Formats: sequence, structure tokens, C-alpha cells
Amino acid sequence: LAKTTQPISMDSYEGQEVNITCSHNNIATNDYITWYQQFPSQGPRFIIQGYKTKVTNEVASLFIPADRKSSTLSLPRVSLSDTAVYYCLVGKRGNAGNMLTFGGGTRLMVKP
Amino acid sequence: GAGVSQSPSNKVTEKGKDVELRCDPISGHTALYWYRQSLGQGLEFLIYFQGNSAPDKSGLPSDRFSAERTGGSVSTLTIQRTQQEDSAVYLCASSLQQGVEQYFGPGTRLTVT
Repeated sequence: LAKTTQPISMDSYEGQEVNITCSHNNIATNDYITWYQQFPSQGPRFIIQGYKTKVTNEVASLFIPADRKSSTLSLPRVSLSDTAVYYCLVGKRGNAGNMLTFGGGTRLMVKP
Repeated sequence: GAGVSQSPSNKVTEKGKDVELRCDPISGHTALYWYRQSLGQGLEFLIYFQGNSAPDKSGLPSDRFSAERTGGSVSTLTIQRTQQEDSAVYLCASSLQQGVEQYFGPGTRLTVT
């Protein structure tokens, strides 16, 4: 089971770019990296998923170096509404067990 | 379209009583998951259903916890003889197939007094 390590919290200001890095040193060959966002009193919401290099969607970008031992979620020009907890998950797409382990996440606070 | 729904949204029960929590997944989603989240903590996997396969119960914390999924759709999580440490938010999620994007419901906040 690939364990992930993220910063417990981060602060930023509106309009800045935020980069949250997740370490997963024992990632397996067929593991994917997925990020979820959770607001207070809500269930988590899928943000982005990737396997290697760079993935971008309308919400964020995910950067994965060649060794895949870490990944960085990049949120461009954050707003107050991006204040949330961000979870990094590592696991196989075709196997339920590994994909279902959420760590403590990173609590992002965006200030005006 | 409709997302994952859960009921009740809040449940207060006395220690020792049984509770049932309901989850209605997104129509057509074959995979259904139950998680538990204690205050300020990450999510803890409980149980997973995929189609007609036997569920993965490896995350259930004790034999007081059980879940079923009827007709491949609605799921019920049952906690028997509730204890105070069972107090948490119970989240349900569904996905089109195992391992890909999961869609979460709003959760049921369970308080055991």
C-alpha cells in the first residue's frame, strides 16, 4: 500500500498560484495519483488524476516527475472559495483497496 | 443530474441502539463505497461493493458493522449496539467502475450519546 505524505496546512492569498506537493516514495508501477478536494460539511470532490508527466484540466494541473515518487497539485490564481482540504491518493485503478486510503490531507487557507 | 444522496443527514442515537444509514448512488454506477470520517481526520475506508461481486469488507472496524446493497443500487450501512466511538460522518461514494473517479454524497453525521 503506497503511503502518501503531504503538508498538514498551507496559507495563500487570493490571486496567487498554490502548489501542494505529495510524497509517495513506494509508489508501484501501475499506481495512479489522484487528488480530491473537501469543503467543510461536504464529501470530497475529485479534482484530477494522472500517471506521469503533466495533466491539466479546467481546475488544476498535476505535475509528476519521471521517478513518480512525488506529485504536485497546482491551483492557478486561487480565490477564497478554494479554501478546503486537499487529499492525495495513490493506488491502482483496477483494484479497490489501494485507491481508498485517504491520509490527513493538506488544509489550504486562502486569505484576502 | 442527481448525485449521490444519503439519509438521514443527521442522526443522534443512544449508546447501545442500532442505526441504519442509507445511500442512493448515482444511477448506473456499479461501484459503491462507504467511508467514515472523524472530526478533523481523513477518510477511513469501510466497505466496497462492485456489481454482483462479494463486497470487500476489509475496512469494517468490528462485527457490529455490516452493509448490504440491494439490486445493485441502494446500500444500507448498519451499526449494531452503537458506541460513542462510532460518532463520525459516514460518507458514501459511487463510481462507474472501481478505482476511477468517485462521487461522494453529503454524508450522515452520527452522534452517539
